[in-house]
Amino acid sequence: AQKITQTQPGMFVQEKEAVTLDCTYDTSDPSYGLFWYKQPSSGEMIFLIYQGSYDQQNATEGRYSLNFQKARKSANLVISASQLGDSAMYFCAMRESPRGDSSYKLIFGSGTRLLVRP
Amino acid sequence: KAGVTQTPRYLIKTRGQQVTLSCSPISGHRSVSWYQQTPGQGLQFLFEYFSETQRNKGNFPGRFSGRQFSNSRSEMNVSTLELGDSALYLCASSLVGRETDTQYFGPGTRLTVL
Repeated sequence: AQKITQTQPGMFVQEKEAVTLDCTYDTSDPSYGLFWYKQPSSGEMIFLIYQGSYDQQNATEGRYSLNFQKARKSANLVISASQLGDSAMYFCAMRESPRGDSSYKLIFGSGTRLLVRP
Repeated sequence: KAGVTQTPRYLIKTRGQQVTLSCSPISGHRSVSWYQQTPGQGLQFLFEYFSETQRNKGNFPGRFSGRQFSNSRSEMNVSTLELGDSALYLCASSLVGRETDTQYFGPGTRLTVL
């Protein structure tokens, strides 16, 4: 079964500094996708970044980048120049296709609570 | 473009009652998925609908059901509510639910069962 592990329950970072949130995964599927979502206290899950298993380069979206190390099965999220508004829960998720077709569901990690200090 | 909308945002029910939650996907999106989020179990997949058909279902009892309408709007129903059903219920939509699609989430419905 596929599994996502986030080992950092909580982290602090100083405003304007960079921070790395860890995510490791376990799967036997040769094709998979990894997502990062941000969940502010309001509850909405906000999509941040996606990495496909066959993507040759690490994904980047503005201040977000994904440090994808396939052999180590890790997909760490790097947030550069942290802002106060980055304080939130961050979830790593993996796509799982139970039927083996194009439909899929997301398997989530337990999340990391990030607090940005002014 | 409007995002995923969910109604109601907050709901309080008592044990034994039933509840219906609604989700309107992003315009043009045809796949709708539902997730339950609790402090103890985290985020868990409930089910996914595409073209009014349930394609995937998570490990939840039969008290949890859903449906999708021809306009892609979806509802989920929980019958005979239990205290453990208190949770944030999140709906997510994607274009057609393909491997390369991204699921975009709504603000959630926070259900409290007393």
